[in-house]
Amino acid sequence: AQTVTQSQPEMSVQEAETVTLSCTYDTSENNYYLFWYKQPPSRQMILVIRQEAYKQQNATENRFSVNFQKAAKSFSLKISDSQLGDTAMYFCAFMDNNAGNMLTFGGGTRLMVKP
Amino acid sequence: DAGVTQSPTHLIKTRGQQVTLRCSPKSGHDTVSWYQQALGQGPQFIFQYYEEEERQRGNFPDRFSGHQFPNYSSELNVNALLLGDSALYLCASSLLTGAGETQYFGPGTRLLVL
Repeated sequence: AQTVTQSQPEMSVQEAETVTLSCTYDTSENNYYLFWYKQPPSRQMILVIRQEAYKQQNATENRFSVNFQKAAKSFSLKISDSQLGDTAMYFCAFMDNNAGNMLTFGGGTRLMVKP
Repeated sequence: DAGVTQSPTHLIKTRGQQVTLRCSPKSGHDTVSWYQQALGQGPQFIFQYYEEEERQRGNFPDRFSGHQFPNYSSELNVNALLLGDSALYLCASSLLTGAGETQYFGPGTRLLVL
């Protein structure tokens, strides 16, 4: 079974600065997908970014980018120019396409952006 | 374009009762997945429905059952509620293309079992 680990339960960052959230996963599969989701206090889970394991290029979405290290099974999220609206729980998630399309989530990192 | 909707938003039940939660997928989506999120934890996969059949199931007891209707909406039923069933129940929809489909989540239903 796949596992996803987020080793930072809580983090804080000053507005406009950069922060990196860590995620590691364990799998024996070669074909899979990785996601970062954001869950603000309003609780609606929102997709931040997605990475296909077969792509070497790291995904980027505006201020959000990932550092995908397949050999190390690491998938960190970098948030640049942090904004107050980035305050939320962030979940890393894994999807093994060969075993259906269920998402396996990490335990989450609570990010607080301070003014 | 309406996103994923869920009803009700909050629910209070007592132990032993039964509950039904509802989900309407994002327009154009045909697959619905259900997740349970206990307080302070990441979501856990319950099951997924496609073409009105349960396609995949997580490690949840048979007290958890579901249904998908021809219009792709879905219900999650939980029988014989336990205190430990108190959680946020999230519905996610996607389009089954066989290529790691992104799942889009609804706002969730907060269930409290007393």
